Amino acid sequence: GEDVEQSLFLSVREGDSSVINCTYTDSSSTYLYWYKQEPGAGLQLLTYIFSNMDMKQDQRLTVLLNKKDKHLSLRIADTQTGDSAIYFCAEINTGTASKLTFGTGTRLQVTL
Amino acid sequence: EAGVAQSPRYKIIEKRQSVAFWCNPISGHATLYWYQQILGQGPKLLIQFQNNGVVDDSQLPKDRFSAERLKGVDSTLKIQPAKLEDSAVYLCASSLALNEQFFGPGTRLTVL
Repeated sequence: GEDVEQSLFLSVREGDSSVINCTYTDSSSTYLYWYKQEPGAGLQLLTYIFSNMDMKQDQRLTVLLNKKDKHLSLRIADTQTGDSAIYFCAEINTGTASKLTFGTGTRLQVTL
Repeated sequence: EAGVAQSPRYKIIEKRQSVAFWCNPISGHATLYWYQQILGQGPKLLIQFQNNGVVDDSQLPKDRFSAERLKGVDSTLKIQPAKLEDSAVYLCASSLALNEQFFGPGTRLTVL
């Protein structure tokens, strides 16, 4: 079955770049996502990338996809304290399961 | 545009009691999802509706969990009887297209 893995914790200083990594197993993934979850809140969709793309940039966010290695990363430029949250990688195969499979989440801590 | 609404936000019950959660999706969204998010984990899909029909309920513990979506709009998720391991955040999401799900704030359930 599908499996999505992430490292548990990342600490960066304000103003630095953050890179959150994710690996997945389903080679038929159609879309890959990054969600942000702040304490006590639901999940906010940050960005997503279609599986035939290598990169997508949206303001401070850059998503890189390496399909060969099944590796997805999210880079946040000029990280701010408001970026402190848990970031979830997720994938979906719209051709079969149509089910969003999430990773365990990476807690990003931004220090001053 | 109003987001996905859920109620209650918090619920504390004793084991073997019953509980129900309510979700109102974004207007016009045909697909509705219920996820269970246990502390420290990513959300796990419990059930997916397309209008008022069930698309996927393969991970719903049907001996104690039930869900319905009458008239293809609002949905309720019920647990009867609750167990300690049901303590989690229950997230509702809706989508217009398969590639973009919008999440509500969730209901945090504590079973004592």
